[in-house]
Amino acid sequence: ELKVEQNPLFLSMQEGKNYTIYCNYSTTSDRLYWYRQDPGKSLESLFVLLSNGAVKQEGRLMASLDTKARLSTLHITAAVHDLSATYFCAVDFDSGGSNYKLTFGKGTLLTVNP
Amino acid sequence: DVKVTQSSRYLVKRTGEKVFLECVQDMDHENMFWYRQDPGLGLRLIYFSYDVKMKEKGDIPEGYSVSREKKERFSLILESASTNQTSMYLCASSLGQGRNDVQFFGPGTRLTVL
Repeated sequence: ELKVEQNPLFLSMQEGKNYTIYCNYSTTSDRLYWYRQDPGKSLESLFVLLSNGAVKQEGRLMASLDTKARLSTLHITAAVHDLSATYFCAVDFDSGGSNYKLTFGKGTLLTVNP
Repeated sequence: DVKVTQSSRYLVKRTGEKVFLECVQDMDHENMFWYRQDPGLGLRLIYFSYDVKMKEKGDIPEGYSVSREKKERFSLILESASTNQTSMYLCASSLGQGRNDVQFFGPGTRLTVL
């Protein structure tokens, strides 16, 4: 059974600080997705990491993937209040044939305080 | 832009009622998914479909069924609603390219079963 673990589950940080969210998974996969969910809203795709060593950056967020360690990180640089949201990582695995489905972590609730 | 719509944002039903949740996507996506989201548990896959009239069980299919009669529409059915099915239900769709397949989510339906 594929397990996806995020930590921390809750993160309160000050504006201007840096921090990293970790996503570990239990089964070999080289595809990992990061999503963002604002309160009361649905999930929005942030990054798709498609191979070992992949790094994607947008604004103050940078995601990376180490498939050997089965680990992805989401690094936040100089946090601002607008980044407050819940962040999910999701890993895909083969569900048979050419079809794949995602298994999600429990999410990290990020609160950025002034 | 990909648009995934769900029939209701909020729904209140009584125990034992039959409940239909509808999801429509307008981008000719092959794959469609139903998840439920509960605090502390993240997203859990209920059912998914890779083609019209095709369906596969996800991780928590008990108490649910689905129907996909047309490519753009995927329905989740609670045959006899119970209080433990009170949850946020999220529909998603993806193009169907196998791997490298981002899922796009609808706004969610918050279902309360009394």
